[in-house]
Amino acid sequence: DGGITQSPKYLFRKEGQNVTLSCEQNLNHDAMYWYRQDPGQGLRLIYYSQIVNDFQKGDIAEGYSVSREKKESFPLTVTSAQKNPTAFYLCASKRGDANTGELFFGEGSRLTVL
Amino acid sequence: GEDVEQSLFLSVREGDSSVINCTYTDSSSTYLYWYKQEPGAGLQLLTYIFSNMDMKQDQRLTVLLNKKDKHLSLRIADTQTGDSAIYFCAESFSGGYNKLIFGAGTRLAVHP
Repeated sequence: DGGITQSPKYLFRKEGQNVTLSCEQNLNHDAMYWYRQDPGQGLRLIYYSQIVNDFQKGDIAEGYSVSREKKESFPLTVTSAQKNPTAFYLCASKRGDANTGELFFGEGSRLTVL
Repeated sequence: GEDVEQSLFLSVREGDSSVINCTYTDSSSTYLYWYKQEPGAGLQLLTYIFSNMDMKQDQRLTVLLNKKDKHLSLRIADTQTGDSAIYFCAESFSGGYNKLIFGAGTRLAVHP
């Protein structure tokens, strides 16, 4: 079955540590996105990538980094520079020719900083 | 600026209709969406409406769009306990890379 797989589902980190969240898709989608979800707030865009080897900052990119070396993979690193990293992180993808703009989401990764 | 607003909570009795409302700001949005999120999971697209439509119906779901007032609503008929979730309204932002702007989500609680 095609879909988006995020791992790990739960992650605990000590302050000052970098962590990397994995996102893999087998939908053959061109575009991939990382969103952050906090209680009572909408999803906020961290980074997005339209094609391999290219990515752009979203609205809240500070303290995060990404790479897009393969079409299927778009990992997100939460660095120690991110002041408030505890959140639910959602990865999404979209077909390049999708006129409707529909995003397909993974199940999310919950990061807690201790 | 771009913004999507929703009320945060809605409580309905099982079998009643639920109406979730949303206002948006980008008048040039091409599509507007409703996504559903169940606890601890990702978002799933429920339905979408093209901006030149006023209404779209899909089984128990009815979407109404008032472009003049920039108001979108989702009506769920015969609400069931399985409909309990967070519902997100989103608009397609016209300013470049087909970014979606999401509201904060409305938590729907269905009680017997």
